[in-house]
Amino acid sequence: DSGVTQTPKHLITATGQRVTLRCSPRSGDLSVYWYQQSLDQGLQFLIQYYNGEERAKGNILERFSAQQFPDLHSELNLSSLELGDSALYFCASSAASALSGNTIYFGEGSWLTVV
Amino acid sequence: EDQVTQSPEALRLQEGESSSLNCSYTVSGLRGLFWYRQDPGKGPEFLFTLYSAGEEKEKERLKATLTKKESFLHITAPKPEDSATYLCAVQAYTDTGRRALTFGSGTRLQVQP
Repeated sequence: DSGVTQTPKHLITATGQRVTLRCSPRSGDLSVYWYQQSLDQGLQFLIQYYNGEERAKGNILERFSAQQFPDLHSELNLSSLELGDSALYFCASSAASALSGNTIYFGEGSWLTVV
Repeated sequence: EDQVTQSPEALRLQEGESSSLNCSYTVSGLRGLFWYRQDPGKGPEFLFTLYSAGEEKEKERLKATLTKKESFLHITAPKPEDSATYLCAVQAYTDTGRRALTFGSGTRLQVQP
């Protein structure tokens, strides 16, 4: 168990809909990352937050957004869903500083199926 | 742009047959190179972090090594439970605070009894 908790584990929704994925980082970790993993693309970085602020953006679509709350949990919002958005969405977290280690720990993921 | 290439894409071994997985990378300034293991439908499980050329780390039947251009994951006398996808990733130094990892596409390892 990595200590990173994601909900829901599985989600089936229709095209055009909006969903929210939730992540609780490991205790004490200030950085949260979101990744998308589809069968043909591997792990793609979406966005990083640090202590509530956006720190880096990757290949995140404009239809997707995220935020990190004061209690450090994070949510990834996916809207106007398309069939191609079906994927595993991972949240990961890491400690506050290099002194605490650079390791990024992943949750078990949220399976999103768009039908 | 940081790039990570893993080879082979897939590897089938007999139990006890040692081998190595390769990860070649290009990065502006390497902060760390990470190895993860991923089982189907699960999240990546952290194995190792390597920080500088010449560094080696071991865990049970796995040993990771690092040079300036590539990393190897050596698997000694593998068992069927070592079957998984092994992912390599790099973390670069930036002035923006970005700490996200860039992943390779992985090596799917199957160990047959």
